[in-house]
Amino acid sequence: DAKTTQPPSMDCAEGRAANLPCNHSTISGNEYVYWYRQIHSQGPQYIIHGLKNNETNEMASLIITEDRKSSTLILPHATLRDTAVYYCIVRVASGGSNYKLTFGKGTLLTVNP
Amino acid sequence: ETGVTQTPRHLVMGMTNKKSLKCEQHLGHNAMYWYKQSAKKPLELMFVYNFKEQTENNSVPSRFSPECPNSSHLFLHLHTLQPEDSALYLCASDKGEDTEAFFGQGTRLTVV
Repeated sequence: DAKTTQPPSMDCAEGRAANLPCNHSTISGNEYVYWYRQIHSQGPQYIIHGLKNNETNEMASLIITEDRKSSTLILPHATLRDTAVYYCIVRVASGGSNYKLTFGKGTLLTVNP
Repeated sequence: ETGVTQTPRHLVMGMTNKKSLKCEQHLGHNAMYWYKQSAKKPLELMFVYNFKEQTENNSVPSRFSPECPNSSHLFLHLHTLQPEDSALYLCASDKGEDTEAFFGQGTRLTVV
């Protein structure tokens, strides 16, 4: 079972920042927060991941609360090509039977012109 | 292009046919995965392989038979499938540690 809760859908205007929330209140100390997205009928694409510090890369920023029970993925300037289902996943650091990526239903982000 | 290649991209098969899906990666990854995604449903993990050994089988029916001859190749052999097995089948690979997994583009399977 997925260990995260996300809103089923969100809208965002093109050019504006998209802020996608995720709750993971039962996260363990050795679990990372991963974000992937899936554009219609394609394979999921990795976006970013983090443990407890905020992270930024060329695609997005990840803000993790101090208690690690929730996080927010930020797309700073959303474009129409960012329309996709976004998945927030918790995953142990390495190895073991719980290392696998378990996908929930995600958030359908629709970027509008 | 993710470095994970799946073939074929589309497959239509009858319920009495036998076919195979292929996944290939040359990223040096140790772990490979098969996922199934039915229409409007989340991805479901089917099988996990680490260093060619199967480490997880999520109660997948025996009409799906995985094979991992080496760390770069993963197959899913299909036989006597049902129409409800029609789905997008996705392969992924990673290093089995704190790094991202890479997914292929999937095989769209239709069972008629």
